[in-house]
Amino acid sequence: GEDVEQSLFLSVREGDSSVINCTYTDSSSTYLYWYKQEPGAGLQLLTYIFSNMDMKQDQRLTVLLNKKDKHLSLRIADTQTGDSAIYFCAESNTGFQKLVFGTGTRLLVSP
Amino acid sequence: GAVVSQHPSRVICKSGTSVKIECRSLDFQATTMFWYRQFPKQSLMLMATSNEGSKATYEQGVEKDKFLINHASLTLSTLTVTSAHPEDSSFYICSANVGSSDFSLGYTFGSGTRLTVV
Repeated sequence: GEDVEQSLFLSVREGDSSVINCTYTDSSSTYLYWYKQEPGAGLQLLTYIFSNMDMKQDQRLTVLLNKKDKHLSLRIADTQTGDSAIYFCAESNTGFQKLVFGTGTRLLVSP
Repeated sequence: GAVVSQHPSRVICKSGTSVKIECRSLDFQATTMFWYRQFPKQSLMLMATSNEGSKATYEQGVEKDKFLINHASLTLSTLTVTSAHPEDSSFYICSANVGSSDFSLGYTFGSGTRLTVV
C-alpha cells in the first residue's frame, strides 16, 4: 500500500528558514498536499502541488517535488513562532480517492 | 471559502454509551466525506469514506458495527461510536472534498472532536 514518511521533529529559531521533508512510495500520486495542524484543531490546507510540477511558491512557502525520488519538501521562509505546529504531507490519486497522510513533523520555532 | 463544521468539539461519555459526531458542509455540497481518527502525536488514520445516499466504505480493520456512518444529505455526515469503550478515546476528524472537478482545492477538514470515554 501507499506509505508516506516524514521526519518527526524540527526545531528552528525565529527568522530562520524551515525545511520539512516528505517521502512517498505511490508512483501514481497525482496531487501532493501540505497541511498544518495546531494543537487540538483540525487541518488547514497550506498548499498543494500537482505531480507534473517541480516547484511551487506561495508567499513564504515553497514546495519542491522530485518525482523521480518521490521526495517532497516544504520550505517556510522567515519562520515565525506562529508557525509552530504539526505539518502533514499527504498524497492522493485522481478521483474521489482518500488522502494518505504522512506521519507528521512537529515544528518548534523558538524566539 | 469552503467550511466544514464539526460538532461537538469535545465530549466525555461513560463506557457503554453511544456518541454521535456531526459534520456539515456549510457552503458547498459534499457528496463524499471522509472520517479520520488521530491518536496522540500520531498521523491521521482513515476510518471510512462516506458517500451520500449509500453505504460507507470502511477501511480494513475498522468495525462497521462499532462506528456507524450515515450520510443522508449532501451537507451532513454523522459518525456514531456505539457502546463506547476507553480505547475508543481519540480525536476524530472529518473532511470533504471541496470541488467535484478541481481536486487541487484539496480537502476541507472539520475542527475535530476529542472523545474521552470514562
